[in-house]
Amino acid sequence: QITLKESGPTLMKPTETLTLTCTFSGFSLSTGVGVGWFRQPPGKAPQWLALIYWDDDTRYSSSLKSRLTITKDTSKNQVVLTMTNIAPVDTGTYYCAHRGGGFDYWGQGTLVTVSS
Amino acid sequence: SYELTQPPSVSVSPGQTATIPCFGDNLAGKYACWYQQKPGQSPKLLIYQDSKRPSGIPERFSGSNSGTTATLTISETQPIDEADYYCQAWDSTAYVFGPGTKVTVL
Repeated sequence: QITLKESGPTLMKPTETLTLTCTFSGFSLSTGVGVGWFRQPPGKAPQWLALIYWDDDTRYSSSLKSRLTITKDTSKNQVVLTMTNIAPVDTGTYYCAHRGGGFDYWGQGTLVTVSS
Repeated sequence: SYELTQPPSVSVSPGQTATIPCFGDNLAGKYACWYQQKPGQSPKLLIYQDSKRPSGIPERFSGSNSGTTATLTISETQPIDEADYYCQAWDSTAYVFGPGTKVTVL
């Protein structure tokens, strides 16, 4: 059974660096597998942020690339996303998801609020 | 940047068929996925690679993709199908989502 769970701070101040951890079970980051990060502002569509593959290949949203870093710790079954210089517009629910045929397993999401 | 568009809402009577379009330039040249999201829940993959259903997704959900339009069809719509539906495609450098369609079953 594949599960993913996001963890990290719920309240941040502008200009801080956000670090989110996705802890997963039921699969390993092996050949062909990736883990992606998404965010969803309240009432809006999901937005893809970043993706990391089993071989450390990484992809980033072009609009956020300069602020994002995605890494993995295979021994801990974790994928970490950092976002620098956050602002109130970055408020939303952040999800990680397993990439199989599509993004077929999602975490429950974690709400991050950015406010001074 | 690549954009996908969807109608904001679709209404359907129980037992009838709901059709949800997703429009994008040369969308048929990219694989489309569809996600269902209910309030307070995470997105759920319904369709990938245009028309494939993950294990556990009912057969009444089907997908197609031709020209500039991908389509999600819900046959014999049930009240539990009331949700937001998002299309998504990979545009060589980014996973792009449509704005979503709210399906109301009434």
